Amino acid sequence: DTGVSQNPRHKITKRGQNVTFRCDPISEHNRLYWYRQTLGQGPEFLTYFQNEAQLEKSRLLSDRFSAERPKGSFSTLEIQRTEQGDSAMYLCASSLIKGGASYTFGSGTRLTVV
Amino acid sequence: SQQGEEDPQALSIQEGENATMNCSYKTSINNLQWYRQNSGRGLVHLILIRSNEREKHSGRLRVTLDTSKKSSSLLITASRAADTASYFCATDLYNFNKFYFGSGTKLNVKP
Repeated sequence: DTGVSQNPRHKITKRGQNVTFRCDPISEHNRLYWYRQTLGQGPEFLTYFQNEAQLEKSRLLSDRFSAERPKGSFSTLEIQRTEQGDSAMYLCASSLIKGGASYTFGSGTRLTVV
Repeated sequence: SQQGEEDPQALSIQEGENATMNCSYKTSINNLQWYRQNSGRGLVHLILIRSNEREKHSGRLRVTLDTSKKSSSLLITASRAADTASYFCATDLYNFNKFYFGSGTKLNVKP
């Protein structure tokens, strides 16, 4: 297990199309997080899972966004009817459940909506 | 709004010099962490400092935390060109389970 894996690395899509990203966390990590990062800014929290349960969603996550983590393993983030404002780096991170556990981040998926 | 904010936004130094970045936050925290991000890549965890700690060291990194001022600093000593990256502080609000990131300090170390 070499870390958090995200696919694809880059995605270019036309406005209005649906896209799905995948994240494979470190296998023993119970928590999985999705963040979004735009150019020159820090990552913004979107949602997180503890095992298969989605425990919190940011209000940034509009109804066009949905995330799943079936069986508590990999996770998918889907964006429906993409808009140009969705263009960003989508970062996945995983961690253990313990106070102050650090995140291990994937390399991210860069989404460009044209 | 962001919980933590780094200062300065950008910093350019010569190789061998020390680099200091600051982070201020708004509310009580359990822990504060520093991460590094190379251009277009994911973030890499550098160091964690708990709210009851005042200073931590890891190699060339030194982090301080002043909870009374709600601020932290990251010092990189004897910088190298490979330290060129953006540096982010991340705070977990007391009893919350996620980290909030600042907007980062972009460090450029010139060879």
